[in-house]
Amino acid sequence: ILNVEQSPQSLHVQEGDSTNFTCSFPSSNFYALHWYRWETAKSPEALFVMTLNGDEKKKGRISATLNTKEGYSYLYIKGSQPEDSATYLCAFIENFNKFYFGSGTKLNVKP
Amino acid sequence: EAGVAQSPRYKIIEKRQSVAFWCNPISGHATLYWYQQILGQGPKLLIQFQNNGVVDDSQLPKDRFSAERLKGVDSTLKIQPAKLEDSAVYLCASSLMGGDTQYFGPGTRLTVL
Repeated sequence: ILNVEQSPQSLHVQEGDSTNFTCSFPSSNFYALHWYRWETAKSPEALFVMTLNGDEKKKGRISATLNTKEGYSYLYIKGSQPEDSATYLCAFIENFNKFYFGSGTKLNVKP
Repeated sequence: EAGVAQSPRYKIIEKRQSVAFWCNPISGHATLYWYQQILGQGPKLLIQFQNNGVVDDSQLPKDRFSAERLKGVDSTLKIQPAKLEDSAVYLCASSLMGGDTQYFGPGTRLTVL
């Protein structure tokens, strides 16, 4: 069983703060890395699909980077808003098929 | 486009009872996943189907859990008999093909007393 680690486990920030979290994964047998956002009482929703070393993806105030050689991805949120409060999950996909999720970073943005 | 449907949304049972969950994936999605998410942990893959065939069930506790995807569309996950440690959210997800973006259902929250 692969180890996909996310840090920190939880984060409390004030509205307007920028923040970032980390997903660490094995650097071998890499196929893709996904980021998902999971709001309370809702289903996880895909944010980014990242496949190439050096990939940078952006959606509004949220962006992500990928380093497959050293096995990490960063998720950045610029100017956090209360609606960004959610658990952010990363998933390492090995050899096309196997998904391994991290335990998530729970973000709470205070107004 | 309709999303992934799951039922029931909540279920409370006593230990040693049986329970079944149902999932209807997005139309045309060949790959279907069942996950178990215990509080404070990430989703753990229980079983992955490609059409009606099993791709990966290495983490499925086969002495008590079973799943099927007859006709390659709907799927059911059964637990028989349930244990206290089975209390979790059971998520179903589907994707066009293995490795693609997954689309999740709302989940079933199971409480075993």
